[in-house]
Amino acid sequence: AQTVTQSQPEMSVQEAETVTLSCTYDTSENNYYLFWYKQPPSRQMILVIRQEAYKQQNATENRFSVNFQKAAKSFSLKISDSQLGDTAMYFCAFLDNAGGTSYGKLTFGQGTILTVHP
Amino acid sequence: NAGVTQTPKFQVLKTGQSMTLQCAQDMNHEYMSWYRQDPGMGLRLIHYSVGAGITDQGEVPNGYNVSRSTTEDFPLRLLSAAPSQTSVYFCASRGGPLYEQYFGPGTRLTVT
Repeated sequence: AQTVTQSQPEMSVQEAETVTLSCTYDTSENNYYLFWYKQPPSRQMILVIRQEAYKQQNATENRFSVNFQKAAKSFSLKISDSQLGDTAMYFCAFLDNAGGTSYGKLTFGQGTILTVHP
Repeated sequence: NAGVTQTPKFQVLKTGQSMTLQCAQDMNHEYMSWYRQDPGMGLRLIHYSVGAGITDQGEVPNGYNVSRSTTEDFPLRLLSAAPSQTSVYFCASRGGPLYEQYFGPGTRLTVT
């Protein structure tokens, strides 16, 4: 079974600065997908960014980017120009390929609480 | 297009009571699932379904039952509530070429 580890239970950053959240995973598969989800105090789960394992290029979405190191099984999230609205719990998640279908299991890390200070 | 809806948002049960958490999606997704979220443990998969009439167990299925009679609905039943089932429950559906998973707003359940 796949495992996902987020080793930073809590992080804090000043507004406008950059912060990196860490995530490692364990799998024997070659094709899979990785995600970062944001959960603000409203409790809603919001997809931040996704990465396909077969793509070497790191995904970016505006102020959010990832550093995907497939050999090291590492998938960190970088938030640039941090904003107060970025304060939330962030989850790293792994989706197995399930033979090319969308039926794979999504496995989550334990989460990192990020606080952005003014 | 409402996405994934869940009811209720909050619920308090006494030990031994049963109840059903409702979940519906209007995106015609085949894959639906239920998670529970506990502090320090992330989201853990309870049950999932890959289509109407097909369900399977996830990581923590004990004490929960599911059925999938239609593509749209995927209710979660607590058979005899226990304090260990106090948690936040999320329903989700998945589909499309990007395999994006959509979550409902969650249900906070307290068992006393």
